[in-house]
Amino acid sequence: ETGVTQSPTHLIKTRGQQVTLRCSSQSGHNTVSWYQQALGQGPQFIFQYYREEENGRGNFPPRFSGLQFPNYSSELNVNALELDDSALYLCASSLGRGENEKLFFGSGTQLSVL
Amino acid sequence: RKEVEQDPGPFNVPEGATVAFNCTYSNSASQSFFWYRQDCRKEPKLLMSVYSSGNEDGRFTAQLNRASQYISLLIRDSKLSDSATYLCVGTPSGGYNKLIFGAGTRLAVHP
Repeated sequence: ETGVTQSPTHLIKTRGQQVTLRCSSQSGHNTVSWYQQALGQGPQFIFQYYREEENGRGNFPPRFSGLQFPNYSSELNVNALELDDSALYLCASSLGRGENEKLFFGSGTQLSVL
Repeated sequence: RKEVEQDPGPFNVPEGATVAFNCTYSNSASQSFFWYRQDCRKEPKLLMSVYSSGNEDGRFTAQLNRASQYISLLIRDSKLSDSATYLCVGTPSGGYNKLIFGAGTRLAVHP
């Protein structure tokens, strides 16, 4: 167990809807990263939050947005859902944002868009 | 070109076999390297870091060749429990802990 929890575990939405995914970081961790893993692919970096500020973003459109709260938990919001957004969404927390900081992954949210 | 590329497999091997996975990376993913293991639709778990000098952890050996931009993972004496997807991972230079994953190589070990 990594101490990183994600909710919900599974979610079904339809095209055009909006979704919010949640992540509680491990105690003491101030950095949260989000990844999207489509079927048959490796996880792709969406963005990272460090102390409530976005600290880096991958190649995802603006309809993917995030938030980090003072307790360092985080949300990933996706607007105007598309079929290709169907994926496993992984959250990872770390003690800091430095390149040597180990990431601890949650077990993910499986999103299906119909 | 993808930043980290792997042979997708699958590799189907009998128990006890030795199997090797290869991975190449681009300049944008060239700071540090790891192998992760992922069981079906679960979170990836760190298997081992990869160093230029090569490193071993039990039955697993990882190697990095910076000149060729090539990483390998060798699994000796395969067990049924080794069946999983193995993800090759690099990180960019630039001072933060973003992981760049390859698409993964599937391994199926059969009796």
